[in-house]
This record gives sequence, structure tokens and C-alpha cells, in this order.
Amino acid sequence: GAGVSQTPSNKVTEKGKYVELRCDPISGHTALYWYRQSLGQGPEFLIYFQGTGAADDSGLPNDRFFAVRPEGSVSTLKIQRTERGDSAVYLCASSLDRATGELFFGEGSRLTVL
Amino acid sequence: AQRVTQPEKLLSVFKGAPVELKCNYSYSGSPELFWYVQYSRQRLQLLLRHISRESIKGFTADLNKGETSFHLKKPFAQEEDSAMYYCALSGPRYSSASKIIFGSGTRLSIRP
Repeated sequence: GAGVSQTPSNKVTEKGKYVELRCDPISGHTALYWYRQSLGQGPEFLIYFQGTGAADDSGLPNDRFFAVRPEGSVSTLKIQRTERGDSAVYLCASSLDRATGELFFGEGSRLTVL
Repeated sequence: AQRVTQPEKLLSVFKGAPVELKCNYSYSGSPELFWYVQYSRQRLQLLLRHISRESIKGFTADLNKGETSFHLKKPFAQEEDSAMYYCALSGPRYSSASKIIFGSGTRLSIRP
């Protein structure tokens, strides 16, 4: 593909609802990262996959947040019982493998919780 | 704990003037350091990494382990350098500490 693809690009939801954000990485990239970016801040690390497994999920803020990558390609970030504070741009990035350190970012999914 | 600090939210310089974007880090061990850039209406992308010791678009960055800094420099700024710049850090290659964390960013504005 042309690059990392994220859907939806924009999502507006109500407090308490469930949300799924999808990331389609560059074909062949084994490493996949999720970040959250609030206005005026840098990307905040959430979780990192190497293949199908979560190599590091230390950035997930609480148990309302969960991410999967069942076949080692597409990943879904799931947020339960959304809160207004979850409003942010959620960025996905992939890398050929962790060792390169070069992340290729998607355009992000902007989540607004009303 | 791992931390990346970019003390300046905004840096404004005239075209042709030297640029230095500051980055300090906290890490117990030998980290890898990166600079990422986001131009207007574009995706975040890698600019350079310390292990490559390369100059990209005239920018260089030297890792100073004594001062725990990785400042980004360019001797003569150009208008197309205007962008958001993020310093980033990770654990050593092939280590288990592989997450990449970012600083809060510095907006560089080049005045004509």
C-alpha cells in the first residue's frame, strides 16, 4: 500500500460509548505502535506490537483501553466507556522491525467524545 | 524512567540565521535518539537518528551523553524548515526496552 492507513479519520461519539480505531500498516512491517496526541503535546506512547503480540503495553492509561493485532498485520485500538478526556488524535505507526527505529506514521484518527 | 524534554514550544528565527532545537533526555543506559519532523498538512516522519551520523536537509544532531542532550542544529535556516520538530528516544537496538517515546515538540518558524 501507499502507507499506513487509519480509519476512521474522524470519530465523534458520546460519553460512555464504545469505540474502535483501525490501523492498516505498511505490508511486511512487523512492528506496530499506537500513540495518543493531545493538542500542544507530543505523541504519547500507548502500546507496541512485534508481530501478533503486545511487546509493551505500559502506556495504556487504564483497562478501558485495549488493542489487538490477531494476524500480525491490521491492528484495532478499542476504547470502552469513553470519557471526554479520551478526546485526542490517535496515531498509528509501523516499522519494518523494531531495530530500524524508523516509524512510518498514519494520518491519525481524531476522536471527539462529547 | 525514560523522559524526553524539549524546553522550547516555539522557536522563531530569520531566514539564513542558525537554528538550534534543544532536546534533553533521561535514560539509564545507552539510548537511541531520533528527530522526527511534521511539516504542515503532512505526516510525522523521521528526520535523522544519532546512529547514522548523517546530515539531512542540512540538519545535524550530536548525542552528548555527558549532558544527556541531542540538540538539532542547522547553520542557515530556510523557509521550508518551518515545521514541528519532535525529539524521540528508545532503548538500544535489539533490546526488550524498545518503545519509542517522544518529547512535546518545538514549533520552528522561519521568518523571511
